[in-house]
Amino acid sequence: DIQMTQSPSSLSASAGDRVTITCRASQSISTYVNWYQEKPGKAPKLLIYAASSLQSGVPSRFSAIRSGTDFTLTINSLQPEDFATYSCQQSYSIPYTFGQGTKLEIK
Amino acid sequence: QVQLVESGGGVVQPGRSLRLSCAASGFTFSNYGMHWVRQAPGKGLEWVAVISYDRNNENYADSVKGRFTISRDNSKNTLYLQMNSLRSDDTAMYYCARDRGGRVFDYWGQGTLVTVSS
Repeated sequence: DIQMTQSPSSLSASAGDRVTITCRASQSISTYVNWYQEKPGKAPKLLIYAASSLQSGVPSRFSAIRSGTDFTLTINSLQPEDFATYSCQQSYSIPYTFGQGTKLEIK
Repeated sequence: QVQLVESGGGVVQPGRSLRLSCAASGFTFSNYGMHWVRQAPGKGLEWVAVISYDRNNENYADSVKGRFTISRDNSKNTLYLQMNSLRSDDTAMYYCARDRGGRVFDYWGQGTLVTVSS
């Protein structure tokens, strides 16, 4: 199975800050990485697909890049609604594994 | 708008069975592959199973293979997950998710909670 090692597991930041979250894949997976936002009691939300493509309707302050087997999600100018948990997912091969999640909290 | 609504969760004893449902609306259900994904308390998301749009292909995580069965009724716009021989480590929130193509989950439901406990 492909392991997705996500870091950090938690992060404290203030509104207006820029934050980055990283996932490292255990093997080469091209651009088959997607990013999701999770909030308690709500349906998870797709933010980024194919490593760097912004899902329709997602604000442009969210962006992501790939460098080899490293995948990075960046959130610019944090808004209050961005405090949530973020998870990466590889869609290269079954089982479609997720990172352990990064909980973004208000400082 | 796309809507996915899970149901069927609850408290069940180890070894027993449960069937989850996911009612879809707002899109042509029969055109999309569908997945089940779960999240145990305090843990990350775990992919469980996938079924193709036409029911011809299914795949499962090793942790549920042989115990869980994914199915769908395109005439009812409904996805199912039959869970047999449940174990305590199956305790989780279960989500259904639409596959937009490329195993990207573009819409999710809000989940249904399954608790396996004696």
